[in-house]
Amino acid sequence: EVQLVESGGGLVQPGGSLRLSCAASGFTVSSDSMSWYRQAPGKGLEWVSMFYSETTGGSQYYADSVKGRFTISRDKSRNTLFLQMHSLRSEDTAVYYCATRKGDYWGQGTLVTVSS
Amino acid sequence: DIQMTQSPSSLSASVGDRVTITCRASQAVNSYLNWYQQKPGKAPKLLISSASSLQSGVPSRFSGGGSGTEFTLTISSLQPEDFATYYCQQIYSTPLTFGTGTRVDIK
Repeated sequence: EVQLVESGGGLVQPGGSLRLSCAASGFTVSSDSMSWYRQAPGKGLEWVSMFYSETTGGSQYYADSVKGRFTISRDKSRNTLFLQMHSLRSEDTAVYYCATRKGDYWGQGTLVTVSS
Repeated sequence: DIQMTQSPSSLSASVGDRVTITCRASQAVNSYLNWYQQKPGKAPKLLISSASSLQSGVPSRFSGGGSGTEFTLTISSLQPEDFATYYCQQIYSTPLTFGTGTRVDIK
């Protein structure tokens, strides 16, 4: 059974940093392209970043709103996807989800709150 | 960037009603179009992939259609558990983009 479990969210001050993790089981993170998404309180869904699978080149892409501040990575030995977030702003406050490329598997989400 | 225009933004319907939600892409996405259902406090659930492929375990009252730039999600007979927010998403090219959502309420 495929399962994705996010962790690492919390309260952080503006300008701070946070690293989110997405631990996968039931499949290999490097064998599928995977994305991070977010949803601000009461708002719609927003794609944040994607890490393409090894077989499709392994490139990383970012939404303009996070480019230069967020970095997506993966650790094959831990079968985990990461999102390193720097220079956080109040508008980054959201529930962050990881998901497979197809969208058929999502984690439960982890809440990031950026506030002083 | 591909813009996804979803309508209506909300609707009120009764159990047993037929409901159709429309999603229009600003450029062709072939059939790289997903439909999700989301309930409060939960992650989105994939209902339809590739514009019209019903995911395993999803009731057959849900159906998707269209290609290119125009897509629809239809619920043939609304059930109490279907009251939720629905989103379309193109996965044709990055940035992956969503429609603004359709909230389906009980009339």
